[in-house]
Amino acid sequence: GQQVMQIPQYQHVQEGEDFTTYCNSSTTLSNIQWYKQRPGGHPVFLIQLVKSGEVKKQKRLTFQFGEAKKNSSLHITATQTTDVGTYFCAGPHNQGGKLIFGQGTELSVKP
Amino acid sequence: SAVISQKPSRDICQRGTSLTIQCQVDSQVTMMFWYRQQPGQSLTLIATANQGSEATYESGFVIDKFPISRPNLTFSTLTVSNMSPEDSSIYLCSVDAGSTDTQYFGPGTRLTVL
Repeated sequence: GQQVMQIPQYQHVQEGEDFTTYCNSSTTLSNIQWYKQRPGGHPVFLIQLVKSGEVKKQKRLTFQFGEAKKNSSLHITATQTTDVGTYFCAGPHNQGGKLIFGQGTELSVKP
Repeated sequence: SAVISQKPSRDICQRGTSLTIQCQVDSQVTMMFWYRQQPGQSLTLIATANQGSEATYESGFVIDKFPISRPNLTFSTLTVSNMSPEDSSIYLCSVDAGSTDTQYFGPGTRLTVL
């Protein structure tokens, strides 16, 4: 079945270091979305990428959608303790309006 | 963005009992979803709650165990029936954000079954 895979599962960084999480889909996606879940919180929508090769930035966060629309990445420059949480990518299922979520990357930042 | 509330926020229940979780949205939405998230894990879709018709369940989830109601476009309930400790999890409802495929999530219900 349709799958979205995400690596790494965990990433521990020193504050100020960069962080990247990668997302790969088994099928071509119409769009890719990223969500952030703080510890004890619920997933919060960050961004949606629609176009092949699209790059979007939100302050220190850079999101990319691959040319083949099957992979994506989230890069955080100079991490801060406020970046702590789990980052999920998600793509629409090819049947219906539901989403398929990656396994998530849990980011911890040591001050 | 939609504002979503869930009740209860957490509960501790005895094995064999049932719990009904409510999800209320501040605006009318087409699609409502119910997810389960076990500690340190990703989101697993239980079912899509359809207004005016039966919910659509994902593989591994059945109506007898997780009956869902969707009486109108702003409200849904999920019941976890005949609970066992394996049902201990966070249950999240979400709604679609219109025509963009994106979703807004409720705060979740943390369920512990003893």
